[in-house]
Formats: sequence, C-alpha cells, structure tokens
Amino acid sequence: GAGVSQSPRYKVAKRGQDVALRCDPISGHVSLFWYQQALGQGPEFLTYFQNEAQLDKSGLPSDRFFAERPEGSVSTLKIQRTQQEDSAVYLCASSSLGREASYEQYFGPGTRLTVT
Amino acid sequence: AQKVTQAQTEISVVEKEDVTLDCVYETRDTTYYLFWYKQPPSGELVFLIRRNSFDEQNEISGRYSWNFQKSTSSFNFTITASQVVDSAVYFCALSAFYGNKLVFGAGTILRVKS
Repeated sequence: GAGVSQSPRYKVAKRGQDVALRCDPISGHVSLFWYQQALGQGPEFLTYFQNEAQLDKSGLPSDRFFAERPEGSVSTLKIQRTQQEDSAVYLCASSSLGREASYEQYFGPGTRLTVT
Repeated sequence: AQKVTQAQTEISVVEKEDVTLDCVYETRDTTYYLFWYKQPPSGELVFLIRRNSFDEQNEISGRYSWNFQKSTSSFNFTITASQVVDSAVYFCALSAFYGNKLVFGAGTILRVKS
C-alpha cells in the first residue's frame, strides 16, 4: 500500500516568499505530525492533528508557520515570509488509532526547503 | 521536560564488526516509550523498535539487539556483524505515551566500510 507522501520533495524560496508544503498521510490514519529537521540534527516536533483538529502546535517556531488539515486527511504546512533559518527538511508522519492501531508513526520522505 | 542524548556523533567500523549506539534519556513521566529509527541517505525515517517503560527485557531481532536499562536511563542499540547497508543515521526517540509526539536525539552517523 501507499505510504506517506510529501510534495514538493525540494523547494527553493527567496527570502520573504511564502511556501506551502503538502502531506498525504496513509489512508485512514487519524493522527498526523509535522517535524522540522535542520541539517545534522534530529527531527523536532512542530504540530499534531487528530483528524481535522490541531491538538498541539507548541512546536511551531513563530506565527509565520501555519498548518491545516481541513478534511482530516491531506495536510498543508505554510510558512509565510520565509527566512534563512527556515531552511530545513520538513517531515510529515501519520499514525492510526483504534483497537487494532499500532500507533506507529510512519514518516514521509520529507520536503527539503532552501531559503536563499 | 524530555530530552534524548546521543553522545556519539559519528562511528566508523569495518564490515563484520559489532557496533553499539548509545542513547540516554531524561523524562519525569513514569510511563513513556522509547524508539530507534534509521535514516538512510534517501532521507526517510524507518522504524526499528519501540519499547515501553514497563518492559526492561532486552530484545533481539536478527543482527539487531537493544539493551534497555531504566536504572541508568539508557536504551542502547547493538548491530552485530555490521554490513555496508547498515550505513545510515540512527536516531533514538522518546514519547510521553504511545501515539504522542516524538522527542529525538541528535542522531549518530554510522559508517560501515567494506
């Protein structure tokens, strides 16, 4: 079956531009996470959705970062007025809930954002 | 606050050597989960193992084994008879409960040379 997909895989933005990163979770997965991975570092949590509800956005670094999941499936992470420090790989992960759930987080390939 | 420390930034071994990757964690939670993920050059994080705080039994899966010691807050990962395909970045991670956000260490780069 299809795993988590993310698009675009690579994005180059000029400083000040807005970008939108897309995540398609595994079909039926209720939970969706966004992480930011700077070069040479481990992923850091940004935000979490359960269905369409954003239950935790404590990791978003500034109000320039915004995430949504309006229909409880596809999610978009938007970064406004990009800065050089936003350059990183943005990882999306999804997991299932329920009696047969493994709760395992399955990760997508990431979007590498470079801000010039 | 939760924290994961992987003190080894990079390890190089020759094929067939055994190698141990260290992981030390900090948490105030009494129930928590520990994970290891592999990140090959392609970039996608691959799940290797999950362990909950109630289960301190060591686990072996093929050439992989994990040693969980609550007394020292460590969850170390050993690869026996390493292979070139094991070359990757390995991350240890912690969550407050299953299904919650993961807190990752900085990762250990493992290079296995033929």
